[in-house]
Amino acid sequence: SYVLTQPPSVSVAPGKTARITCGGNYIGTKSVHWYQQKPGQAPVVVIHYDSDRPSGIPERFSGSNSGNTATLTISRVEAGDEADYYCQVWDSSSGVFGGGTKLTVL
Amino acid sequence: VQLVESGGGLVQPGGSLRLSCAASGFTFSSYAMNWVRQAPGKGLEWVSIISASGGSTYYADSVKGRFTISRDNSKNSLYLQMNSLRAEDTAVYYCAKDPSNSGSSFDFWGQGTLVTVSS
Repeated sequence: SYVLTQPPSVSVAPGKTARITCGGNYIGTKSVHWYQQKPGQAPVVVIHYDSDRPSGIPERFSGSNSGNTATLTISRVEAGDEADYYCQVWDSSSGVFGGGTKLTVL
Repeated sequence: VQLVESGGGLVQPGGSLRLSCAASGFTFSSYAMNWVRQAPGKGLEWVSIISASGGSTYYADSVKGRFTISRDNSKNSLYLQMNSLRAEDTAVYYCAKDPSNSGSSFDFWGQGTLVTVSS
């Protein structure tokens, strides 16, 4: 089965840039979607189809995908961005999530 | 768009439970729908998808043969029949809308319903 690998945690100071990676075999050939989940809440899609921002998501959120790594980039990080982030793809008609990355704003 | 899950609760190992998801605010019959679960303190796990018409369904290996996804487009409702439940099925179960009629992203989620499998 297809495996997506994320770092368990990323820390960043306010105002700086956070980069969360998602590794997978030839992931660049798939569409990658990113979700933000805050404690006690349902996930929210922040990037879909590699780099598209849904309506209402700040421009500070961006995504890229190439080779074996997809990346979620959060610019000018704010305290409110502290959350768990998950990448997701489809493989052989099955949804696959990465293990999640906890973003801590220092 | 609103998705409201119901039907969760405490069930003994080996038991059954049927989850429901009531949808509103969009043309339910035009979109695939999914169930995604999250065990306490753990990450997200995709469970199942059903096409817009209900004619195609897919399952995670962990639930194949035990869970059945279905929908009633006349009632704007999604269901998950869960049989032979195990302790490892304990999780919050979310219904999630697909923005297409095939697997892509999950653009809207319900608030989830908790299923606890324990004796």
